[in-house]
Amino acid sequence: KQEVTQIPAALSVPEGENLVLNCSFTDSAIYNLQWFRQDPGKGLTSLLLIQSSQREQTSGRLNASLDKSSGRSTLYIAASQPGDSATYLCACQAGTALIFGKGTTLSVSS
Amino acid sequence: GAGVSQSPSNKVTEKGKDVELRCDPISGHTALYWYRQSLGQGLEFLIYFQGNSAPDKSGLPSDRFSAERTGGSVSTLTIQRTQQEDSAVYLCASSLAATAGNTIYFGEGSWLTVV
Repeated sequence: KQEVTQIPAALSVPEGENLVLNCSFTDSAIYNLQWFRQDPGKGLTSLLLIQSSQREQTSGRLNASLDKSSGRSTLYIAASQPGDSATYLCACQAGTALIFGKGTTLSVSS
Repeated sequence: GAGVSQSPSNKVTEKGKDVELRCDPISGHTALYWYRQSLGQGLEFLIYFQGNSAPDKSGLPSDRFSAERTGGSVSTLTIQRTQQEDSAVYLCASSLAATAGNTIYFGEGSWLTVV
């Protein structure tokens, strides 16, 4: 059974700092890994999708990497801003369902 | 519409009543998912539809929960005889297909409170 773990559970950084969020998964037989952002009281916004054949994806200040063999993914956020404050979730898809981690809650102070 | 639409956005119901939650996926998306997010918990998979059929119902927590999808589009999640532990956000998502490379898009959720 796939288990997804995100570390740290919470992170506070000053504005402008570069940071890395970690995601690990137990079953490497995945075909997609997706990073989401969730603001309080809101639904999930898709940030990046990495297929199993890919090693990384970039969108603006965000870069996500995937290492299937080690069961790890990272989300790198460059030059963090207060507007980046949210909960970041990673999710693996091997069959029909996405299996989610519990998220990392990020707070960026100005 | 442009995104996944869910209704109602908020619902307060009395224990023992039935509730229906509606999801309108992105046009053309054949795959549809229901998830539940309880306070302070992660997202819990409930059910997956491919077209009108539900090949994966493994996440439904009890027989009080059921879902259907008609016309390969709108889906309804029904909770019968609601209990206080059913209080949660119910999130619907859709994608073009449940295969590699297809981004899954979520709605804003239906916030259910059972009193």
